[in-house]
Amino acid sequence: AQRVTQPEKLLSVFKGAPVELKCNYSYSGSPELFWYVQYSRQRLQLLLRHISRESIKGFTADLNKGETSFHLKKPFAQEEDSAMYYCALRYGGATNKLIFGTGTLLAVQP
Amino acid sequence: DTGVSQDPRHKITKRGQNVTFRCDPISEHNRLYWYRQTLGQGPEFLTYFQNEAQLEKSRLLSDRFSAERPKGSFSTLEIQRTEQGDSAMYLCASSLAYRSYEQYFGPGTRLTVT
Repeated sequence: AQRVTQPEKLLSVFKGAPVELKCNYSYSGSPELFWYVQYSRQRLQLLLRHISRESIKGFTADLNKGETSFHLKKPFAQEEDSAMYYCALRYGGATNKLIFGTGTLLAVQP
Repeated sequence: DTGVSQDPRHKITKRGQNVTFRCDPISEHNRLYWYRQTLGQGPEFLTYFQNEAQLEKSRLLSDRFSAERPKGSFSTLEIQRTEQGDSAMYLCASSLAYRSYEQYFGPGTRLTVT
């Protein structure tokens, strides 16, 4: 079955420290992975997708098919990065629906 | 266009009552999705529309749930004979068909069944 696992409910780091939010997936096909973010009192929004291989707000994520992982990384955390982060897998077929992980709350301390 | 809107934002109802939620997507988006999110979980897919056609329903969507998108614009989600287990945040999202990975979410409707 298609599944996305985010093992950490909460990740607390100090400003300037590196950040790695873990995401593992199970999917029999060719996966498309995404990170969505929800800042306090804001809506869920797309942060980045693996296909684009771009850096958004200093965040990057590399798809590792061998380890079935798509970890989100940032070298130096900022207080404004504090938010809920969801890893998502796009399930193929006509729907292209998203399967979300349970989310990780990133708290960046000053 | 200010994005996806949902109404109401909060709904408290007694068990056994029917409730209806509305979602207004971004105007040029032809795809509309409904998700449900419970505490500590990520959004779970319920159903989706392309224009006015409902193309998929999750097994999470029991017979008490029905969704419509009559003119391919706004959508409604109705829950009949609500149960306490229906208490959740109901999220609506919309997207363009060719960019279905980039879904724009609404603020959600928080349902509490007492």
